Amino acid sequence: GAVVSQHPSRVICKSGTSVKIECRSLDFQATTMFWYRQFPKKSLMLMATSNEGSKATYEQGVEKDKFLINHASLTLSTLTVTSAHPEDSSFYICSATAADNEKLFFGSGTQLSVL
Amino acid sequence: GENVEQHPSTLSVQEGDSAVIKCTYSDSASNYFPWYKQELGKRPQLIIDIRSNVGEKKDQRIAVTLNKTAKHFSLHITETQPEDSAVYFCAASGNDMRFGAGTRLTVKP
Repeated sequence: GAVVSQHPSRVICKSGTSVKIECRSLDFQATTMFWYRQFPKKSLMLMATSNEGSKATYEQGVEKDKFLINHASLTLSTLTVTSAHPEDSSFYICSATAADNEKLFFGSGTQLSVL
Repeated sequence: GENVEQHPSTLSVQEGDSAVIKCTYSDSASNYFPWYKQELGKRPQLIIDIRSNVGEKKDQRIAVTLNKTAKHFSLHITETQPEDSAVYFCAASGNDMRFGAGTRLTVKP
């Protein structure tokens, strides 16, 4: 099956710093990528949807200036958590889909811990 | 928008028994219903999916049923094994994909 690579797998940072998470589709062109946040023992909460070359569409309640998403190419999307605070600590997962296939392929997730 | 409800939130069965997880959705335009299995701290893995033009689909020990009229779909796992223990998420996709809250399945040896 298709492979989505997500890095880093774990980040520990100080409050106020920015953290960038990368999501790459390794063997297919991802026309759409999704970013989710997952709290312990909770479901995947969609944060935003990004299409290559256009601005991301954010879900209600998600601050676009806080969570910057860049989908610069058909194989790469990045999520930058700006000025991270302890409440931003969470598990972040990306997923990607190709234009002709609605199946989602997930990255391995990034555990962010803000001290 | 779409709203997906999933029940139960936790499910414990003995090895060899069957497990059933149920989901309902609200958007009649949804036409694709995947199920994901997620182990702790790992990515969700697609285990089976069904489209709205099909009422049932089976893959070895796993089956999914869909009732479009009632807007509900279910995951059935037969002959459960300890390695089936995980969190299972249903999802419904039309204009966008929404996930259920998840079911933590525990299979006791």
